[in-house]
Order: sequence, then structure tokens, then C-alpha cells
Amino acid sequence: NAGVTQTPKFRILKIGQSMTLQCTQDMNHNYMYWYRQDPGMGLKLIYYSVGAGITDKGEVPNGYNVSRSTTEDFPLRLELAAPSQTSVYFCASSYSISLGGTEAFFGQGTRLTVV
Amino acid sequence: KQEVTQIPAALSVPEGENLVLNCSFTDSAIYNLQWFRQDPGKGLTSLLLIQSSQREQTSGRLNASLDKSSGRSTLYIAASQPGDSATYLCAVIRGSTLGRLYFGRGTQLTVWP
Repeated sequence: NAGVTQTPKFRILKIGQSMTLQCTQDMNHNYMYWYRQDPGMGLKLIYYSVGAGITDKGEVPNGYNVSRSTTEDFPLRLELAAPSQTSVYFCASSYSISLGGTEAFFGQGTRLTVV
Repeated sequence: KQEVTQIPAALSVPEGENLVLNCSFTDSAIYNLQWFRQDPGKGLTSLLLIQSSQREQTSGRLNASLDKSSGRSTLYIAASQPGDSATYLCAVIRGSTLGRLYFGRGTQLTVWP
């Protein structure tokens, strides 16, 4: 009963490096999301996807890229890491409204530090 | 734009008290509202989901109410326990932006024995 799985759990990057945060879900959800959470702040939406092959920007997309080649996977790419990207990143998934509900399920998060 | 506010930002109470956490949102055209719990260094755990047509949902010692017209939701925790200590987050999905959750900053709850 895995739900939403994120890897890695922790990562330290140097400025300018790149990396991919992995996210996979086994609930056959069509909607997937990436959020970032900064200390004392609410979660901010980075990118979301309503199905394979379809992605769209959220509130804070700059510096990130995503792809959705399968229903299960929704990786988040950081191309040129900057200190401002130090944060905790959460992946989430849900069904669409038309499929009967929008309860969102979250992964355990990836804690990223850029130095 | 949907703004979600949670009051209080922090709450510290002795074990056994009944608690009310508040959540308000600016756009009443929501599809549903979801309450989450977040433990330190952990992900978000869904507690309760209220559809826009519903007025409340209950799960064990938790009861969440929704008043769309006034843009408010409350999470009621009965007979609080130290294990309830966590941050509680409220999130809404607007009817016009299907699937996107808008979060408040959370209420950090500490229940001491």
C-alpha cells in the first residue's frame, strides 16, 4: 500500500548543480502536483498535471521543469540550483472531480538544501 | 485569487481540552475543503474531506464543519491528547481550478500532559 512515493528524502546541492526529484503513485490518480513548503509558510504549487502528457504551471514555476510521460510518474527537475530553492518539496496526487473525488494524498517530502 | 487564512498560528493547551481550529477563505466558490495533519519532518496526512454540498464531517474525535457562504471552516478536536501535537493545515479546491489546492499556513498545536 505505497500511495505516493518520493525519492530522495534528503539532498544537498551546490549552486548551479541540477537534479531530479522523483515521484510515483500507485493509486491510478490522474492529477499530480508538486508543492514546496518554506518554514512558516503554506504550501505553494510549483507545477501540476491533469493526466499523462499534460502539465501546467502553478504559482512558483520559475527554476523548475516537469514531465508526465506516464500516469504513475511525475518527476520535478531543477536545472540550475539556487539558494532560493532550499525548501521541502512535496508531491501529491488525486482523482479529478469527474472521477468522483479530489481527496489529495501526499508523499513524505524531499528536503533539499542548496549551498 | 483564493486566500486561505488559519487562526491561531499556534496553540498550546493541556491534555483533555476541547479545541477549535479556524480556517477562512476569500472565494466561496470552492469545490471541497480538506484538513491535513503534518508531523515535524513528515508529509501531510489527510484527516477530513468536506464536499461543498456538505456541512460537516466526523472522524473519531475530529469534527470539521464548513460554511461556504461565510468562507469558514472549523476543525474541532475533542478531548485532546499529547499525540495530537502537530501542525494542522487547511486547503481548499476552487470550483474554477479543478484539482488545485490552496493552503493556509497552518496551526501548530502542542498538547502537553
